[in-house]
Amino acid sequence: DIQMTQSPSSLSASVGDRVSITCRASQSISTYLNWYQQQEGKAPKVLIYAASGLQSGVPSRFSGSGSGTDFTLTISSLQPEDFSTYFCQQSYSIPYTFGQGTKLEIK
Amino acid sequence: QVQLQESGPGLVKPSGTLSLTCDVSGDSISSSNWWSWVRQTPGKGLEWIGEMYHSGSTNYNPSLRSRVTISIDKSKNQFSLKLTSVTAADTAVYYCARVVTSSWNVGWFDPWGQGALVTVSS
Repeated sequence: DIQMTQSPSSLSASVGDRVSITCRASQSISTYLNWYQQQEGKAPKVLIYAASGLQSGVPSRFSGSGSGTDFTLTISSLQPEDFSTYFCQQSYSIPYTFGQGTKLEIK
Repeated sequence: QVQLQESGPGLVKPSGTLSLTCDVSGDSISSSNWWSWVRQTPGKGLEWIGEMYHSGSTNYNPSLRSRVTISIDKSKNQFSLKLTSVTAADTAVYYCARVVTSSWNVGWFDPWGQGALVTVSS
C-alpha cells in the first residue's frame, strides 16, 4: 500500500493568514493526489483533484501543487469557515489511501 | 445535484454481518462512474473499503477483501455494502461516495453521503 503522510498534524493560525499543508507519498504517484476538507460532524468534501485542479464551487484561495511524492495544499487568506480538518488521498493505485489529516485551528 | 444517502442498522453484534445501502439521486448508477465505500474511525482515520462499476466489476481493499461484498441494484439506483464477521474494530462511520474520473484517469470521491455510524457491540 502507498502510505500518505501529512504535516503538520495540527496547525494554529489566524484569519487572513496564508497556510500550507504538505502531503508526502511513500512512492511516486504522479499527480494522482486529491485534497478534502472535513468540517466537524460532516462528510469530507473535495477541494483539489489531480494535485492542482480546483473543484467547481471551491473558493480560489485554495490551491494545490506538487507531483511525484511531494504535494502542498495552500490557503492564501484564511477565512473563519476554513478552520477544519484536511486530508490528502492518492488514487494512483489500489488500495486508495488517505493521509492522517491536518487539523487547522484558530489561534 | 447529486446526492448520496446511507441507510442501515446502527448496531451490529460481533461475528454478525454489517449491511448498508446507499441511495443515489441526481445521477444514474449506470453512468460512467465507480461507486465506493469509505469508513472513518478516530484511530485509523479514513480507510477505503472498495468500489463497484455498474458492469459488475469490483475492486476491494486487500485488508478487507475476504469479508466484503459490494453490489449494485440498478432498478433502485442504489448500491450496497456487506461486511461479514465483524468485530469491535469495524465500528466506524461508513460513507458511500461516487468516484469521479478525469479524462486522464485521475479519480476522486465526490460527492459523499452524510455518513452512517455503525457500532459493533453485543
